[in-house]
Amino acid sequence: EPEVTQTPSHQVTQMGQEVILRCVPISNHLYFYWYRQILGQKVEFLVSFYNNEISEKSEIFDDQFSVERPDGSNFTLKIRSTKLEDSAMYFCASSVGGLYGYTFGSGTRLTVV
Amino acid sequence: AQSVTQLDSQVPVFEEAPVELRCNYSSSVSVYLFWYVQYPNQGLQLLLKYLSGSTLVESINGFEAEFNKSQTSFHLRKPSVHISDTAEYFCAVSFFGNEKLTFGTGTRLTIIP
Repeated sequence: EPEVTQTPSHQVTQMGQEVILRCVPISNHLYFYWYRQILGQKVEFLVSFYNNEISEKSEIFDDQFSVERPDGSNFTLKIRSTKLEDSAMYFCASSVGGLYGYTFGSGTRLTVV
Repeated sequence: AQSVTQLDSQVPVFEEAPVELRCNYSSSVSVYLFWYVQYPNQGLQLLLKYLSGSTLVESINGFEAEFNKSQTSFHLRKPSVHISDTAEYFCAVSFFGNEKLTFGTGTRLTIIP
């Protein structure tokens, strides 16, 4: 069964450093998403991406966050200057069309020290 | 305001006993409803979804959920649980067909042998 692949599975970074989380969505999917889950809290929507642009973003997704689909296969989330409160599990998801076939990756655990 | 509530943060159940995990939502618009499961150290997997049609939906591993519009609920049930059902279960809602999912806080299901 097709999968959404996320790398790395765990990343540790120092506060203030830039970090890039990588995702390979399912190949025929057109809609891409990032969610995050702070330890012990609910899964929260960050951003959705379609047709090479952001279609919706949450208030969490401020200027320090950006997304990109650089080569037609990868979908990345960049955090420019990480803060301690950015420590969370970040999930990538993709969909063939909106809510149909919405598939999550296994996540990247980001730890900011 | 639109919200999703999972009142039970933890539910311990004896093996082969029935279980119900509760999910309620608050919305003045139409909704699509989902249950996701997260096994230890894994990502989010879609368990079942309600988009339209029959209000009772079933998964391949014996879970079912019923959309009750008057009670704004989408409770998840299984008549007989197994050790392998140990996981965290998340209810998620799309409001008015929006591609963004709003998650509940999750319910940790623990199966007692």
